[in-house]
Amino acid sequence: QKEVEQNSGPLSVPEGAIASLNCTYSDRGSQSFFWYRQYSGKSPELIMFIYSNGDKEDGRFTAQLNKASQYVSLLIRDSQPSDSATYLCAVLTGGTSYGKLTFGQGTILTVHP
Amino acid sequence: GAVVSQHPSWVICKSGTSVKIECRSLDFQATTMFWYRQFPKQSLMLMATSNEGSKATYEQGVEKDKFLINHASLTLSTLTVTSAHPEDSSFYICSATGDWVSDTQYFGPGTRLTVL
Repeated sequence: QKEVEQNSGPLSVPEGAIASLNCTYSDRGSQSFFWYRQYSGKSPELIMFIYSNGDKEDGRFTAQLNKASQYVSLLIRDSQPSDSATYLCAVLTGGTSYGKLTFGQGTILTVHP
Repeated sequence: GAVVSQHPSWVICKSGTSVKIECRSLDFQATTMFWYRQFPKQSLMLMATSNEGSKATYEQGVEKDKFLINHASLTLSTLTVTSAHPEDSSFYICSATGDWVSDTQYFGPGTRLTVL
């Protein structure tokens, strides 16, 4: 079993719809969770981080964390064509500051007009 | 958010030459910096972790004598690809963490290396 798994893509949604991206992780002791967006040919860009169970909202993005189920998700409301990118779920291992990120394989999102 | 820069953004070199890539944290002191490599349509691959003033920790399978990492200050880490060969052509990306950004990794824009 992979340490961090994302729902298989690609995911295609119409403009204005809600895009739902899911991620599960295997290390029950993980405490910090991150969502990055990566456009083709570019480096990852941080969207959100979440540490506590529940929802965390930032503009059109909502991250959801359920540590009991070892599940983290990202919702994108009112999806725009500019949201089309690869979304990477990442889990911090090894503690703070010196910890490595374990990435999921990424989900390609396409938002069509 | 925090800003991490990389230089150069792209480089083309001849086989056998060495190339140095710089990674700088512009608005925070980076306790730890990470170096990744990414081939087309593949995921990020962590190459090494560097802590300021310490030797880098390399991931399994990464040649430490080929990929020299120096983290001499809290704002600068360098990756030197020694005796580069065409198979080293890739997208090299650094990230940094520490200080007020805590455990969040912020990525530099990446350096595209092409070895002829």
